[in-house]
Amino acid sequence: AQTVTQSQPEMSVQEAETVTLSCTYDTSESNYYLFWYKQPPSRQMILVIRQEAYKQQNATENRFSVNFQKAAKSFSLKISDSQLGDTAMYFCAFGTLNGAQKLVFGQGTRLTINP
Amino acid sequence: GAGVSQSPRYKVAKRGQDVALRCDPISGHVSLFWYQQALGQGPEFLTYFQNEAQLDKSGLPSDRFFAERPEGSVSTLKIQRTQQEDSAVYLCASSLARRSMNTEAFFGQGTRLTVV
Repeated sequence: AQTVTQSQPEMSVQEAETVTLSCTYDTSESNYYLFWYKQPPSRQMILVIRQEAYKQQNATENRFSVNFQKAAKSFSLKISDSQLGDTAMYFCAFGTLNGAQKLVFGQGTRLTINP
Repeated sequence: GAGVSQSPRYKVAKRGQDVALRCDPISGHVSLFWYQQALGQGPEFLTYFQNEAQLDKSGLPSDRFFAERPEGSVSTLKIQRTQQEDSAVYLCASSLARRSMNTEAFFGQGTRLTVV
């Protein structure tokens, strides 16, 4: 079974700073996807960024980028030039194309951006 | 509609009562998922539909939970004889493709169920 671990329950930074959220996972699969989702108080999960495991290049979406270390099973999210609107819960998630079409989520990190 | 719609947004049920939670996925989306999110936790998978077929129900916690999607669009998650431990946010997500990891899963805003 796959597991996803986020070791930082809460983080807080000043606006415009850079922040990195950590995620590790465990799997025996070779073909899988990793995701970061943002959940604001409205509760709607919003996809931030996605990484396919077979791609060596780290995914980037504007101010969001990942550091994907496949051998270490690590998938961290870096937010550059943080904004007040980035305040939310962030969840790391794992998905595989083999069998069950489902996401396995970590416990989440509550990120607060302070003015 | 433009996104995944869930109703009701909030539901308070007395212990032992039956509840039904509705999910309207994005039109044309093949895959539909239900997740349960306890307070302060990440979502946990409940069940998965591909069109009207329920292909995976391994996450349903007990036989009091069942889900249906009879016409391959709207889905209902039903919980019978609710218990306090059923209190959680129930999230629905849909995606366009059968191979759902290839495309983005869009989530609704969830239904917060409180059992008293």
